[in-house]
Amino acid sequence: ETGVTQTPRHLVMGMTNKKSLKCEQHLGHNAMYWYKQSAKKPLELMFVYSLEERVENNSVPSRFSPECPNSSHLFLHLHTLQPEDSALYLCASSRGTSGTLSTDTQYFGPGTRLTVL
Amino acid sequence: GQNIDQPTEMTATEGAIVQINCTYQTSGFNGLFWYQQHAGEAPTFLSYNVLDGLEEKGRFSSFLSRSKGYSYLLLKELQMKDSASYLCASGSSNTGKLIFGQGTTLQVKP
Repeated sequence: ETGVTQTPRHLVMGMTNKKSLKCEQHLGHNAMYWYKQSAKKPLELMFVYSLEERVENNSVPSRFSPECPNSSHLFLHLHTLQPEDSALYLCASSRGTSGTLSTDTQYFGPGTRLTVL
Repeated sequence: GQNIDQPTEMTATEGAIVQINCTYQTSGFNGLFWYQQHAGEAPTFLSYNVLDGLEEKGRFSSFLSRSKGYSYLLLKELQMKDSASYLCASGSSNTGKLIFGQGTTLQVKP
C-alpha cells in the first residue's frame, strides 16, 4: 500500500472515445505527477502539478489534458488517442513544492494499463 | 544534457550478490534515486544518494561517485522475490525534475 491509488487499473478504448484516468493520494503531499511507461523505455514525465498549479508540461500532445482540482486528486483526460499511446500511465506524488521536486522521493500508484485500438 | 544508462537485463542466482550499474550525465545533478518495480506494480523507493559513498540498507546498498557520474545498486543474499525491474533516476536542479533510466530487469534463478 503506497498511499497513491489509480482508477481504472485497465482501460481499453477506441481512437474516438473520451475517457479519464483518476489518481488520488492520501499522503498529504503537495506535488503530483503523470508519467507514461512504455515497454523497454524510460519513464516519461508528462505533467507535474505543485500546489495545484501546473509547473511542467513536457510537450505532451493536446489529446492528453490534465486536471488537478486539489492537492489530493489528479486526472488525465484522454480523447482521440492513437494506438502508440498504449502504455502504462503512472501517477506519483511527493512532499515538496516546485523548489524540491528533483530531490523529493516520489510515491507511485499502481498505474493504469491503457490499450488504444 | 540529460542521459542515463543502465543494462537492460541481468540474471543472477538465488543467494548470490548482484551489482546493477547506472551511469548518468545530468546538468545541475543533485542526487540519485533507485526504485524497484515488480511486474504490474508501482515503482517503490529503495534509496537516495546525494553524497559520494556507500549507503547500506539491509540487503540492499547503493553507491555514488559524483565525479564519475556513476552509481550502483548492490543486492546481497538474493531472493526469488528480488526478481523485478530496478530504475535509476537522477535529479537536476537545472530542470527541477527527475530523469529515469530505462530500468534493469533482474531475473533471480534458483
